[in-house]
Amino acid sequence: NAGVTQTPKFRVLKTGQSMTLLCAQDMNHEYMYWYRQDPGMGLRLIHYSVGEGTTAKGEVPDGYNVSRLKKQNFLLGLESAAPSQTSVYFCASSYDGLGDEQYFGPGTRLTVT
Amino acid sequence: DQQVKQNSPSLSVQEGRISILNCDYTNSMFDYFLWYKKYPAEGPTFLISISSIKDKNEDGRFTVFLNKSAKHLSLHIVPSQPGDSAVYFCAARGDTGRRALTFGSGTRLQVQP
Repeated sequence: NAGVTQTPKFRVLKTGQSMTLLCAQDMNHEYMYWYRQDPGMGLRLIHYSVGEGTTAKGEVPDGYNVSRLKKQNFLLGLESAAPSQTSVYFCASSYDGLGDEQYFGPGTRLTVT
Repeated sequence: DQQVKQNSPSLSVQEGRISILNCDYTNSMFDYFLWYKKYPAEGPTFLISISSIKDKNEDGRFTVFLNKSAKHLSLHIVPSQPGDSAVYFCAARGDTGRRALTFGSGTRLQVQP
């Protein structure tokens, strides 16, 4: 099992550009999450999904969109990147959302100039 | 306002001694708590958890203590090993319908050989 994988690992964008981060899991988990980690702030939830075809907003959803067309994939989109979106992005998945152990991907380091 | 706080950004201990990492929370609706460990350039990995109906959970060298009245939990590592050097995140689950975790800002543990 690969667990949770994220593509790409690194990316540099110019302000206003768009991009999509891909998360894939092979554990047949229902729940998937996108977090961002900024220095001194821990991980903050951007969006999450409780199953295929569903999405919901987390703590910091502004400027991001997500889609869960297939159970194993969760995509995070930035329509018009801003320097404030410079961060490390982590995807996670879990069997259920009720505090069950979440499995994290290795992260994507995004820099917006 | 941070609902989960780790007030010590860093901690240094000698190999073989006890490491104690602390976490405070403000939301009395949290009912499940987890500790994650994170190495550089990797995603967080689950370490140990505790339900709010318990006050202690032990797994090998790792023990988590929960004091509900004080809204405080701690992670004890005995004995500490150099491989334990990492950033440790405390996380909590609430029952607000948000199916995700609220993370603290992390404590960097350095175990000196």
